Amino acid sequence: QVQLVQSGAEVKKPGSWVRVSCRASGGTFNTYAFNWVRQAPGQGLEWMGRIIPTLDIANYAPDFQGRVMITADKSTNTAYMELSSLSSEDTAVYYCAGGGSANGAPFDYWGQGALVTVSS
Amino acid sequence: QSALTQPRSVSGSPGQSVTISCTGTRNDIGWYNSVSWYQQHPGKAPKVMIYDVTKRPSGVPDRFSGSKSGYTASLTISGLQAEDEADYYCCSYAGSYTMIFGGGTKLTVL
Repeated sequence: QVQLVQSGAEVKKPGSWVRVSCRASGGTFNTYAFNWVRQAPGQGLEWMGRIIPTLDIANYAPDFQGRVMITADKSTNTAYMELSSLSSEDTAVYYCAGGGSANGAPFDYWGQGALVTVSS
Repeated sequence: QSALTQPRSVSGSPGQSVTISCTGTRNDIGWYNSVSWYQQHPGKAPKVMIYDVTKRPSGVPDRFSGSKSGYTASLTISGLQAEDEADYYCCSYAGSYTMIFGGGTKLTVL
């Protein structure tokens, strides 16, 4: 059973950047895709992008293109999401979600979420 | 890319059936059979309940079923139980290696 453990809560200033990590255990890291999904307070889910570690290829949602970077470290089974030019609208819980690498594959495994608060 | 359209809320009594719709476009639901549904209880991470329109992951009760017609996918929950009260989100492949979620539906079990 795959488990995803994310880094802790962060408080950031507007204009800065944040990096959230997601460490996988209990499965074969390279066979999965790792997606990032965020949820603003009281709002719905929003897909940000994904990476397939074995291919080292990342894809991003149009709304985040140019502001987000998703990477993976195969040596530590860890995926990372970096979001820059933060504003108060980026205050949200950020989830990593693992699943198959095929296009459209469901998100089978979820991390516990990491709350990022952007405030001056 | 606009979010898929879901009703804000639905409700039903224990034992009844409810259906949640999810409407997209020809570029997502209308073209691909990669629709999934997620259940989210307050303060918890989402859980996949249906994938590839109609498939159920191991451990998900067969009270949950999915379907699709044209640009609209649907999740039906039969024999409603109190623990089904949650938020439900649809999600579809949208081409160009991207995914898109619906706005979410709050299910209330009366």
